Amino acid sequence: AQSVAQPEDQVNVAEGNPLTVKCTYSVSGNPYLFWYVQYPNRGLQFLLKYITGDNLVKGSYGFEAEFNKSQTSFHLKKPSALVSDSALYFCAVRERYSGAGSYQLTFGKGTKLSVIP
Amino acid sequence: GAVVSQHPSWVICKSGTSVKIECRSLDFQATTMFWYRQFPKQSLMLMATSNEGSKATYEQGVEKDKFLINHASLTLSTLTVTSAHPEDSSFYICSARYGNTEAFFGQGTRLTVV
Repeated sequence: AQSVAQPEDQVNVAEGNPLTVKCTYSVSGNPYLFWYVQYPNRGLQFLLKYITGDNLVKGSYGFEAEFNKSQTSFHLKKPSALVSDSALYFCAVRERYSGAGSYQLTFGKGTKLSVIP
Repeated sequence: GAVVSQHPSWVICKSGTSVKIECRSLDFQATTMFWYRQFPKQSLMLMATSNEGSKATYEQGVEKDKFLINHASLTLSTLTVTSAHPEDSSFYICSARYGNTEAFFGQGTRLTVV
């Protein structure tokens, strides 16, 4: 079974400061890891994913995430937060091999990011 | 890029009626579509996985007779909430994928049952 933990329900950061949204995961095999962002009453927008290779993954809107296998973490980061980054962020995982190829994702419960002007 | 569109974006229906939500892949043929349900301030819960031309695979605890999923073509899947009740009010999100791609998500449908 696979699972994702986002330990913070909410993260507040001042505009211009760096931000980090935490995520840890659990899978039996090798993981594919994802970050999505959701704005109110909207679906999910893909930010970035880790499949293999470089542990630092760069994504949309200046976001990046670092895969740490020993700590089973995939924290989302941005060097300088914008007010427009305020949204709900979801971390997700699936095993590299999903057997039937179902590509099912397991999501964390989400972290609300508030960037304060 | 691949686009997935849901319709309607929001719907209000009376208790006891049925409502259909459409999920379309606009520029690709989706071999697999997923339906999720999201409660306020909670994560997405996978309801079912559907492959074109075959019956949907429902997650444990999801009533297949209440949430009817049809994936009749490679670009369209529908979720019908039958005999809706207020507790079915939620945000429903679909996603679709093809080949070896990851899933692309629709914009979601807000269902309110009154």
